[in-house]
Amino acid sequence: SSELTQDPAVSVALGQTVRITCQGDILSRRYATWYQQKPGQVPILVIYAKDKRPSGIPDRFSGSSSGNTASLTITAAQAEDEADYYCNARDTGDDQWVFGGGTRLTVL
Amino acid sequence: QVQLVQSGAEVKKPGASVKLSCKASGYTFARHWIHWVRQAPGQGLEWMAIINPSDATTSYAQKFHGRLTLTRDTSTSTVYMEVSSLTSEDTALYYCARDHSDNTHSWWFDPWGQGTLVTVSS
Repeated sequence: SSELTQDPAVSVALGQTVRITCQGDILSRRYATWYQQKPGQVPILVIYAKDKRPSGIPDRFSGSSSGNTASLTITAAQAEDEADYYCNARDTGDDQWVFGGGTRLTVL
Repeated sequence: QVQLVQSGAEVKKPGASVKLSCKASGYTFARHWIHWVRQAPGQGLEWMAIINPSDATTSYAQKFHGRLTLTRDTSTSTVYMEVSSLTSEDTALYYCARDHSDNTHSWWFDPWGQGTLVTVSS
């Protein structure tokens, strides 16, 4: 099965911009979806269909894709954005889905 | 509102089986596939399986083939996942989540159930 690779940890200064990336061959044919998970909480959807935000997700969250890399960008990061972020995509050729290993975002 | 409510925590011995439930409400049950995802303590998310509530079509992650069984009860809008031959490595929080798709390039899970903790210990 395919794999999605994320940096284990990223940090950003309060109010600055941070990009979290997800790499994998399947991303050249699929859009990544992004989930945010805070400690002890259920994951929530933050970006889907490459760059769409569900209602309730602040517009400082944005998604993009280029080649086999998907990116989640947080512009002017806030303290409440500190969380684990996971990318996910459907594998090609069969009914299988795969998650990236997750990126822990620290807001300094 | 759309909700997925999962069954309560379970404690099982190695070698046993566990059957988890995920009850859907607030939408037409048959219209959305349901995924199962698990998260071991301190670890990341792991996709396990999916079921089509309309016709009970299933797909399982290759890692779990043979140990998972997904079923559904349309009369109660409930999906079940049975995991057999449990080991300590199956200790995890198990989530169900509703599938969405644009039918071309993107699939997403929303909402998620609250999770069911399964502890496997002798």
